[in-house]
Amino acid sequence: DSGVTQTPKHLITATGQRVTLRCSPRSGDLSVYWYQQSLDQGLQFLIQYYNGEERAKGNILERFSAQQFPDLHSELNLSSLELGDSALYFCASSTPGAGSTDTQYFGPGTRLTVL
Amino acid sequence: DQQVKQNSPSLSVQEGRISILNCDYTNSMFDYFLWYKKYPAEGPTFLISISSIKDKNEDGRFTVFLNKSAKHLSLHIVPSQPGDSAVYFCAASGSNFGNEKLTFGTGTRLTIIP
Repeated sequence: DSGVTQTPKHLITATGQRVTLRCSPRSGDLSVYWYQQSLDQGLQFLIQYYNGEERAKGNILERFSAQQFPDLHSELNLSSLELGDSALYFCASSTPGAGSTDTQYFGPGTRLTVL
Repeated sequence: DQQVKQNSPSLSVQEGRISILNCDYTNSMFDYFLWYKKYPAEGPTFLISISSIKDKNEDGRFTVFLNKSAKHLSLHIVPSQPGDSAVYFCAASGSNFGNEKLTFGTGTRLTIIP
């Protein structure tokens, strides 16, 4: 158990809909990251938040947005969903500190299916 | 542009033998590398990491080797056990990027044959 929790575990919805994925980081971690894994592919970085502020953006679509709340949990909002958005969405968190030596610990993921 | 590459999508190894998983990268600004193991329906689990100031890091049965000049790293698992069967991802980050995002390879599916 990594200590990172994600809800829901599974989500099935229709094209054009909007969903919200939730992530609670490990206790004490200030950074939250969102990654997308499409079928049989590597994980693609979407966005990072550090202590409530956006820190880095990857290949995140304009239809997607995220935020980190004062209690440090994060939500990823996906809107106008398309079939191609079906994927596993992972959240990760890391210990506060500088630079790239912070190991990221991953949650179990949310499997999104768009029909 | 695939900056981190795992060219072997799958690997089968006999139980008790050595498993060697390979990873190549193209961005010379990467200075921290990690290996994650992933079982189906679970999130990636951190295995081992290495900083670019080192060329080897060992943790139990797992050893990671880094060859900076070749931009290549490898994960050795000795001896291999059935529970090691999983997908292994190589990942990299750079301390000069201003963030800690990880760039992942596409993974290698390791199967340990009893």
